Amino acid sequence: QVQLVQSGAEVKKPGASVKVSCKASGYTFTSYTIHWLRQAPGQSFEWMGWINAGNGNTYYSQKFQDRVTITRDTSASTTYMELRSLKSEDTAVYSCARDNVKVGAAFDYWGQGTLVTVSS
Amino acid sequence: QSVLTQAPSASGTPGQRVTISCSGNSSNIGRNYVNWYQQLPGTAPKVLIYRNNQRPSGVPDRFSGSKSGTSASLAISGLRSEDEADYYCAAWDDSLSGWVFGGGTKLTVL
Repeated sequence: QVQLVQSGAEVKKPGASVKVSCKASGYTFTSYTIHWLRQAPGQSFEWMGWINAGNGNTYYSQKFQDRVTITRDTSASTTYMELRSLKSEDTAVYSCARDNVKVGAAFDYWGQGTLVTVSS
Repeated sequence: QSVLTQAPSASGTPGQRVTISCSGNSSNIGRNYVNWYQQLPGTAPKVLIYRNNQRPSGVPDRFSGSKSGTSASLAISGLRSEDEADYYCAAWDDSLSGWVFGGGTKLTVL
């Protein structure tokens, strides 16, 4: 069965960086694109960017493009999202999600989410 | 402030039909498909509707989607207690060059 399993919760100080991982299983990792989104407490979703797990091409939201880097390790079937220069407003649950052309590129599987808390 | 606009809450009684609306503009809903997600408390979102009105396998036909102009709707018929969740619309936005979401509608089954 398809699973996306993310790394655990993080607490960071303002100005620091965080790197969240998302390990895929149950499907051919390199055949799909993985997206990263976040959901601040009580808020909706913000899309951050994607990585084509096959060729490594990335595309970022204009809002985050100066601070985020998404990478992947095909040998580990894992994608990573690094967010730099953290601010308190970056406190949120960060999630990876797979898009699937069979459902019109909607996000058909999601990770369990990783809470990142930014606090001094 | 979300790019797509949804009412923050909706409610209905078991068996009733409820509709959740999502309003956008010509850069997002007006030009692109709308997807709908259901998020049950404490769980990851699940895609309910894709390409405006298509249901993934396994999603009951009680759930239906539609789109007209720059607005979209999700209808749930035969409301059940397990439908109590947050519902989000999403679409690609050509101006922002990214996915945008509605603020979410919390559905309460009375």
